[in-house]
Amino acid sequence: AAGVIQSPRHLIKEKRETATLKCYPIPRHDTVYWYQQGPGQDPQFLISFYEKMQSDKGSIPDRFSAQQFSDYHSELNMSSLELGDSALYFCASSLGLGSYEQYFGPGTRLTVT
Amino acid sequence: GESVGLHLPTLSVQEGDNSIINCAYSNSASDYFIWYKQESGKGPQFIIDIRSNMDKRQGQRVTVLLNKTVKHLSLQIAATQPGDSAVYFCAENDNNNDMRFGAGTRLTVKP
Repeated sequence: AAGVIQSPRHLIKEKRETATLKCYPIPRHDTVYWYQQGPGQDPQFLISFYEKMQSDKGSIPDRFSAQQFSDYHSELNMSSLELGDSALYFCASSLGLGSYEQYFGPGTRLTVT
Repeated sequence: GESVGLHLPTLSVQEGDNSIINCAYSNSASDYFIWYKQESGKGPQFIIDIRSNMDKRQGQRVTVLLNKTVKHLSLQIAATQPGDSAVYFCAENDNNNDMRFGAGTRLTVKP
């Protein structure tokens, strides 16, 4: 079965650079979520989208933005990168809002040097 | 073996034993809970879920227990196998559509 696809899988950037992470949800899933997981930490919710509209916002820094496109894929844009942004970034998708199972992608490991 | 979740981040059990991983959640408005398993370098993998109108749900070798009075969730794994070794997270959803994860518990299964 098709799963959530994230690209790139690994990304190395320097401080103050920008990065764009991409997420392709499971086919027919209309909701995507972004999470940040620091080393040894639990995943922290950043932001979610349902039917191309932002549905909820968590601990996403102002330097980050995200959107969901007409084909339901989502991109997380990160600017003015800081060392503390180094983390695993997971995207998850679900069918519909609310209490539905979220299926996670393999994650993008971002390293900021 | 049994963990106290947030306060004991590691749990080591013998292969074949039962494991109990505990989790305390904070939001009494949360109505949906999920246990995830995360293997090294991979994304969280759904194991089992439970809604707040239930206090127990069973899957294959796993059981989730929910005690809303004390805001406590537990995951029981029967006959633990080496492939069960991973970090386990509980997550709660309060209908605001985002999952809030508890601190993970690392389960190590000794052969």
